[in-house]
Amino acid sequence: DQQVKQNSPSLSVQEGRISILNCDYTNSMFDYFLWYKKYPAEGPTFLISISSIKDKNEDGRFTVFLNKSAKHLSLHIVPSQPGDSAVYFCAAEDQGGKLIFGQGTELSVKP
Amino acid sequence: KAGVTQTPRYLIKTRGQQVTLSCSPISGHRSVSWYQQTPGQGLQFLFEYFSETQRNKGNFPGRFSGRQFSNSRSEMNVSTLELGDSALYLCASSSYTLAGANEQYFGPGTRLTVT
Repeated sequence: DQQVKQNSPSLSVQEGRISILNCDYTNSMFDYFLWYKKYPAEGPTFLISISSIKDKNEDGRFTVFLNKSAKHLSLHIVPSQPGDSAVYFCAAEDQGGKLIFGQGTELSVKP
Repeated sequence: KAGVTQTPRYLIKTRGQQVTLSCSPISGHRSVSWYQQTPGQGLQFLFEYFSETQRNKGNFPGRFSGRQFSNSRSEMNVSTLELGDSALYLCASSSYTLAGANEQYFGPGTRLTVT
């Protein structure tokens, strides 16, 4: 039972354009949502989070949007840079602090 | 601050053997979580330890166990290894105290291959 789903295994974007990564979840009781980025041979690194009581959080080039009625969140990267090429994981945090991760989306930003 | 360290980085074992992986969290972090990453499955949560007590547990068989020491270092043990246990095992630490987002900091992982 996959509570957090990233339905696109891969995404290719041109440098300078917007990258939009999507994530769906099933449990309306999640407290927070987080995005992580992972390069090969490294552990994931935290990017940005959003509380379930907010609908938008912005940090530099990264913005996360939360649509609670649709149980959907998205990460926007503007403008995309070649160094953003990595696997992106969304995660949902339950009330006990446990993180449940999606399967990941591999982003490729082409120069 | 030094990051999360995991040892060993690579390991090859045969079916039926057991293995112990080690994780040293960021100084001051009392929470350590373990994850298994396999292709197409994302990160599957194994368990979390906080102040030497298991605080959360995922849906893995009892062959997977862990512990945490008083200095917050943690070990994970897998007994009677199966081929399907081949994966990247990630450890993450945080200063999470059940308030705010649980921002976890990951180590580089241990790549376990079972033959």
